[in-house]
Amino acid sequence: AQSVTQLGSHVSVSEGALVLLRCNYSSSVPPYLFWYVQYPNQGLQLLLKYTSAATLVKGINGFEAEFKKSETSFHLTKPSAHMSDAAEYFCAVSDRYAGGTSYGKLTFGQGTILTVHP
Amino acid sequence: DGGITQSPKYLFRKEGQNVTLSCEQNLNHDAMYWYRQDPGQGLRLIYYSQIVNDFQKGDIAEGYSVSREKKESFPLTVTSAQKNPTAFYLCASSIVSGHNEQFFGPGTRLTVL
Repeated sequence: AQSVTQLGSHVSVSEGALVLLRCNYSSSVPPYLFWYVQYPNQGLQLLLKYTSAATLVKGINGFEAEFKKSETSFHLTKPSAHMSDAAEYFCAVSDRYAGGTSYGKLTFGQGTILTVHP
Repeated sequence: DGGITQSPKYLFRKEGQNVTLSCEQNLNHDAMYWYRQDPGQGLRLIYYSQIVNDFQKGDIAEGYSVSREKKESFPLTVTSAQKNPTAFYLCASSIVSGHNEQFFGPGTRLTVL
């Protein structure tokens, strides 16, 4: 079974500071990995995804994440936080297609709420 | 514009009543999903469907039912058997491929009075 752990339910940074949101995964097969962002009372928007090409993945709004197989991690970073980055962030893992009814399922972490102070 | 719509945005229900949440997509996606979101618990999968007239239970299907009569539509019924239905409900869709990127609707907030 696959699982995702996001370290830290709340992260607070100052505007202009580095953003680091941690995600560790567990999967029995090579995974696909995703980061989504959610603003209050809205749906989720994809920030970036890892699909086994480059291990350093660049996404929207200046975010990037690095896949580290040896550490089973996929941490999300942004060099300089902006007030508009304040939101909840979710890491998710999906097994690659193996057929059967289990295909298509994403497993989400518990989420990390990012607060940005002026 | 292609996307996913959910209606209504807010829904209030009395205890003991069934209620149906709407989800429509015009992305031509084969797969659709329903999630429940509670504070601090992430997203939990209720049901998913990979093809018309077929669907599978997710991790928390008890007290919910779905149908998939059309490719574009995947309504969710919250029945009176669901003990704690107050939550934020999210619908998503994806193509059936290895990357499985899911696109999400804006959500429906259900409150039981």
